[in-house]
Amino acid sequence: KNEVEQSPQNLTAQEGEFITINCSYSVGISALHWLQQHPGGGIVSLFMLSSGKKKHGRLIATINIQEKHSSLHITASHPRDSAVYICAGGGGGADGLTFGKGTHLIIQP
Amino acid sequence: SAVISQKPSRDICQRGTSLTIQCQVDSQVTMMFWYRQQPGQSLTLIATANQGSEATYESGFVIDKFPISRPNLTFSTLTVSNMSPEDSSIYLCSARGGTEAFFGQGTRLTVV
Repeated sequence: KNEVEQSPQNLTAQEGEFITINCSYSVGISALHWLQQHPGGGIVSLFMLSSGKKKHGRLIATINIQEKHSSLHITASHPRDSAVYICAGGGGGADGLTFGKGTHLIIQP
Repeated sequence: SAVISQKPSRDICQRGTSLTIQCQVDSQVTMMFWYRQQPGQSLTLIATANQGSEATYESGFVIDKFPISRPNLTFSTLTVSNMSPEDSSIYLCSARGGTEAFFGQGTRLTVV
C-alpha cells in the first residue's frame, strides 16, 4: 500500500518569508504531485514530478528519488499563497493517487 | 492539459436522500477517479470509474452506497445514496491523461 507523509501540518509565516513544505513517500510511488486546495475545496495541480526540479513563478518543487523525498518551496511568500498544500503520489499506472494530509499555510501581511 | 467541470460545487441535503455529482472533462482521458475528503482528513480514493463497465471500488466503499457511471471517456457521475451526516465531506473528481492528473473543483456536501 502506498504511503505519503507530509510536514509540517500547519505553518504560519510572515509575508516575504521563504516557505518549505516536505513530503516523504513509499516504494511504489513513481510520480509525485503537488496540489493547492482552496477553502472551498477546489484543487489546483501545481507540479507533477518524477525526477529533478520544476519551477513556476515563485513556486519550486524538487524530488530526490533515492531518498523518496520531495519539497515544495515558495519564495517571497504573499498572503494570497495562503491555502492547503497537498502532496500526492501515484504509481504511474491505472491506480488512483495516495494523498498526504496536507499543510495548512497561512501567510500574514 | 484538461479542464474538469464538476457540479454542484456545494449542496445541503436531508438525511435519507441521494445526491448525484457530475464530472465533465473537456478532452478524452484514460482514467477517471472519485475521491472523498472527510473533515480534517486526507483525500481517499472511492473508486476508479471505468468507461462502459462497473466501477472498481476501494476497500470500504460499495456500489450500493456510491453508484458510479461513466458512459463515455469524458463524463462520469457519482451518487451518494441514502445519505447520513457521516457522508458530509468534499467529493472530488479527478482524471488522468498520460502522467498528468487533473482535478475538479470539488463538491462540498453537508447532510443534515
